[in-house]
Amino acid sequence: EAGVTQFPSHSVIEKGQTVTLRCDPISGHDNLYWYRRVMGKEIKFLLHFVKESKQDESGMPNNRFLAERTGGTYSTLKVQPAELEDSGVYFCASSRLGGRWYTGELFFGEGSRLTVL
Amino acid sequence: DQQVKQNSPSLSVQEGRISILNCDYTNSMFDYFLWYKKYPAEGPTFLISISSIKDKNEDGRFTVFLNKSAKHLSLHIVPSQPGDSAVYFCAASGQGAQKLVFGQGTRLTINP
Repeated sequence: EAGVTQFPSHSVIEKGQTVTLRCDPISGHDNLYWYRRVMGKEIKFLLHFVKESKQDESGMPNNRFLAERTGGTYSTLKVQPAELEDSGVYFCASSRLGGRWYTGELFFGEGSRLTVL
Repeated sequence: DQQVKQNSPSLSVQEGRISILNCDYTNSMFDYFLWYKKYPAEGPTFLISISSIKDKNEDGRFTVFLNKSAKHLSLHIVPSQPGDSAVYFCAASGQGAQKLVFGQGTRLTINP
C-alpha cells in the first residue's frame, strides 16, 4: 500500500510567484491534514479536510494560501503570491475516518520543501 | 504563544545508555500526547503515545511518562541505539480535535 505522497519534493521560486503543492493521501483516508515547519521551528497545523470539506482551517496564515480537495481525493495547497516567510517544509498527513490517530494511525508524507528567494 | 515546548534543541547520548527527551505543555485541556520521530528528508513517523488518564506507557525500548500536575512528559529510550539518531517531536491534542500541536523538536544523536 502506497503511503502519503507529496509533490514536488522541493520547489525554489522567487518572491511574488505562485507555487502549488500536491498531496495524495493513502487510499481510503478521508481525513487529510496540512502542516508546515518553518526554519527548524515547531510543526504547525494549517488545515484539516474531511473528504472534500474543510473541517478546520484555523491554522492557515493568511489569504495568500488556498487549499482544495476536489472530489475528496488528492489535495493542493497554493501559495499566491509567495513571500520570503513562506519558506519551509509543508507536510501532508492522512488518516481513516474513525481511525485511531492517537495511537499512530495518522501518516505523514515526506514533505514538500519550499524555498522563496 | 507556544503550547508545547521542547527546551532542549539537541541531546547527545552514548550508545547503550538511556536517552531522556523532555516536553512541557501549557494547555490543561490536552488529552493525548504523542511522540514522533523524524529522519532527514522524511516525514514524521509515530513512535508512542499516552492518554491523559495514564501516567506511563511502554513499548519495547520506549517509555513515555506523563506528569499532569507538572504539565510535563518525557520519552525514555533504553538502551539507545545508533538508529535512534533523529529529531524527536512531542505533540499534543485535546477536546476531540484531531489537529496536533507540536513542539520544536529535539535532535538526538547516539554516539558509538
